[in-house]
Amino acid sequence: ETGVTQTPRHLVMGMTNKKSLKCEQHLGHNAMYWYKQSAKKPLELMFVYNFKEQTENNSVPSRFSPECPNSSHLFLHLHTLQPEDSALYLCASSRETSSPEQYFGPGTRLTVT
Amino acid sequence: GENVEQHPSTLSVQEGDSAVIKCTYSDSASNYFPWYKQELGKRPQLIIDIRSNVGEKKDQRIAVTLNKTAKHFSLHITETQPEDSAVYFCAAINDYKLSFGAGTTVTVRA
Repeated sequence: ETGVTQTPRHLVMGMTNKKSLKCEQHLGHNAMYWYKQSAKKPLELMFVYNFKEQTENNSVPSRFSPECPNSSHLFLHLHTLQPEDSALYLCASSRETSSPEQYFGPGTRLTVT
Repeated sequence: GENVEQHPSTLSVQEGDSAVIKCTYSDSASNYFPWYKQELGKRPQLIIDIRSNVGEKKDQRIAVTLNKTAKHFSLHITETQPEDSAVYFCAAINDYKLSFGAGTTVTVRA
């Protein structure tokens, strides 16, 4: 699959579990983003990475921990989540953070029980 | 920070009619306004965008208008078809941060 891919597509985890979401982009972009999409709410920007460096942490709780080992891969490590963290987590990429056009992955549907 | 408001939250139109979605933004420094379409269970996809130095842009059946003075922009879909049914998000970008509206669920009735 080309473009932006995310795994897993669906994840159910308990509040005491530790899991990770993975995002990979095949577009040669240098900027990557994590968004949270909850029902009836705007997409919320969580983290921004540019050339592997985190440039934005949008007041996200520490139970969400991002990792960007290179410009093509982005992870979101999850631990001790709450039921209200259940949402669709979308990864996106752009050429650089100064490039406004973002390309989204298909998302991971996360359910915290 | 930027605050984007989007109306209506739901819109039902008869096939062949037009649909209009309106958004307002708060930060006059925002300079790029994309629109995304998200079909059920799929990723948001950019369908059209407009930059702050342009007042109107059209691509086949969809068009966007921007009023910088009033800080609002709109999406117009003409001759709607069933495949236009989706959630549409407006967004405004300031620096590199995209701020999204809450979305409009458009349903095209056959």
